[in-house]
Amino acid sequence: AQTVTQSQPEMSVQEAETVTLSCTYDTSESDYYLFWYKQPPSRQMILVIRQEAYKQQNATENRFSVNFQKAAKSFSLKISDSQLGDAAMYFCAYRWNYGGSQGNLIFGKGTKLSVKP
Amino acid sequence: GAGVSQTPSNKVTEKGKYVELRCDPISGHTALYWYRQSLGQGPEFLIYFQGTGAADDSGLPNDRFFAVRPEGSVSTLKIQRTERGDSAVYLCASSLALSGANVLTFGAGSRLTVL
Repeated sequence: AQTVTQSQPEMSVQEAETVTLSCTYDTSESDYYLFWYKQPPSRQMILVIRQEAYKQQNATENRFSVNFQKAAKSFSLKISDSQLGDAAMYFCAYRWNYGGSQGNLIFGKGTKLSVKP
Repeated sequence: GAGVSQTPSNKVTEKGKYVELRCDPISGHTALYWYRQSLGQGPEFLIYFQGTGAADDSGLPNDRFFAVRPEGSVSTLKIQRTERGDSAVYLCASSLALSGANVLTFGAGSRLTVL
């Protein structure tokens, strides 16, 4: 069974600094997607970034980038120039690249990020 | 609609009562998902639909939980004989299709509190 592990329950960063959130996963599949979602107090999950497992190049979205290590099954999120609005729960998620019983998202337990002014 | 809409936003009920939670997905999205998020945890999969049929309901915890999507758009999650342990935020998401390439868009959730 696929699992996603986030080993940092809480993290803190100073405004304008850089922070890295860790995520590891376990799967026997070779073709899958990895995601980072942000969940502010409003509860709505917002997609931050997505990585396709067959692409070696790390995904980037403005201030957000990932370090994808497929062999190590590691998928960390780096937030540069942190802003107060980045404060939220961050969830790492995995999804096999097919429909059927493996088609749903599997989430980690989350990391609560605080941003200090 | 423009986003995934869930109603009610908050629901307080008494132990043993029946509850319905509604999800209105993005127009044109054929895949619809229900997740449950307990306090301090990540969302846990309950069920997902492709069109009107439940493609996978393996996450439903027991037979008190049931979900329908009769016309392939709006879905209702139904919980019978509610228990205090059912208290959680119930999240709905939709996507264009089941393929892993399709991103799930989430609603703001329905917070259920069972007293």
